[in-house]
Amino acid sequence: DTGVSQDPRHKITKRGQNVTFRCDPISEHNRLYWYRQTLGQGPEFLTYFQNEAQLEKSRLLSDRFSAERPKGSFSTLEIQRTEQGDSAMYLCASSPTGANVLTFGAGSRLTVL
Amino acid sequence: GESVGLHLPTLSVQEGDNSIINCAYSNSASDYFIWYKQESGKGPQFIIDIRSNMDKRQGQRVTVLLNKTVKHLSLQIAATQPGDSAVYFCAENIYSGGGADGLTFGKGTHLIIQP
Repeated sequence: DTGVSQDPRHKITKRGQNVTFRCDPISEHNRLYWYRQTLGQGPEFLTYFQNEAQLEKSRLLSDRFSAERPKGSFSTLEIQRTEQGDSAMYLCASSPTGANVLTFGAGSRLTVL
Repeated sequence: GESVGLHLPTLSVQEGDNSIINCAYSNSASDYFIWYKQESGKGPQFIIDIRSNMDKRQGQRVTVLLNKTVKHLSLQIAATQPGDSAVYFCAENIYSGGGADGLTFGKGTHLIIQP
């Protein structure tokens, strides 16, 4: 197993465009998390899944953001009508159920021009 | 609740010296704390964790101290090496018994190792 994989690593887009990020968690981990990290700040929780069920969403997750994990394996995070304020690193993490330690991926960096 | 915060944004130490990185938290209900290390261009990497029923835990070259009275957490790194250069985050969780519903991170301390 190669850990948590995220794709793409970097995305540059124009304001108003839609972007989608993919996360492949560690295969035996049934919990998957999305975080956002802006420059100089710690990661901020966005949402998490237990298998295919989305169990919690942060108030940071506006209606332009949607996350899915249809088969309980990989997950996608889509941002519609991107704004410059969406520029950040989007981090994915996974863990087994009941574990407190999250394993993070390297992140997908989004730049909105 | 309030997010976890850190006292210093940057800490510079000589190679071989010991480092102490501090963290203050405000949520007295927090039950579990983790230190993560983040190198440039990478995701956070787990270093060490501690539950609120403990006041000290040791790992390899690292020690975490928890003072619940003043809501203070610290990470001690012994004999710092160039590879220790990174941003260090403390994170807290209200342990629900079902695992992490989401960690709350502080802003981070950038540790710089001087040769």
